[in-house]
Amino acid sequence: GQQVMQIPQYQHVQEGEDFTTYCNSSTTLSNIQWYKQRPGGHPVFLIQLVKSGEVKKQKRLTFQFGEAKKNSSLHITATQTTDVGTYFCAGRETSGSRLTFGEGTQLTVNP
Amino acid sequence: SQTIHQWPATLVQPVGSPLSLECTVEGTSNPNLYWYRQAAGRGLQLLFYSIGIDQISSEVPQNLSASRPQDRQFILSSKKLLLSDSGFYLCAWKSGRRTDTQYFGPGTRLTVL
Repeated sequence: GQQVMQIPQYQHVQEGEDFTTYCNSSTTLSNIQWYKQRPGGHPVFLIQLVKSGEVKKQKRLTFQFGEAKKNSSLHITATQTTDVGTYFCAGRETSGSRLTFGEGTQLTVNP
Repeated sequence: SQTIHQWPATLVQPVGSPLSLECTVEGTSNPNLYWYRQAAGRGLQLLFYSIGIDQISSEVPQNLSASRPQDRQFILSSKKLLLSDSGFYLCAWKSGRRTDTQYFGPGTRLTVL
């Protein structure tokens, strides 16, 4: 079955440093989504990428979808303490019907 | 606008006791509904999903069951809880087949002692 892998599992940064998490699928995806879960909270939808090579930005967050539509990345520029949380990617394979979540990257930011 | 509710927010139950967690969605009709479990510091494990009333699919065989008695109500149950059932239970919905985006409820934190 479809597998979605995320690396790293954990990332500790100093406030102001950049952060990147990577998502890789074993199959070609119809789309990729990113969610953020704050400590003690529930996952919240951030963005969806659909097109091959697509890049989207939300303030300091940059999301990319690979040309082959099998990988994606989330990059945060100049992290802030408000960025703390776990970031999940989730994708649906082209021939599939359900979303598969990655294991998430847990980000901590030291002030 | 659509909202999703879960209750209770927290629950402490003894081993062997029954369980009933409820999820309701407002502001939409015929949603796809999902139950996930999240162990501490871990990812999301899909337990059940439903595309309609009384249409439940189980992803992981275990001592949990799910029911959907009404269009916007999804219930997670167990007859006898195990220690390994502890975790953060999340309900989510999405709007039919036109989108993949899921919206999560606030969750229920279950501790089995």
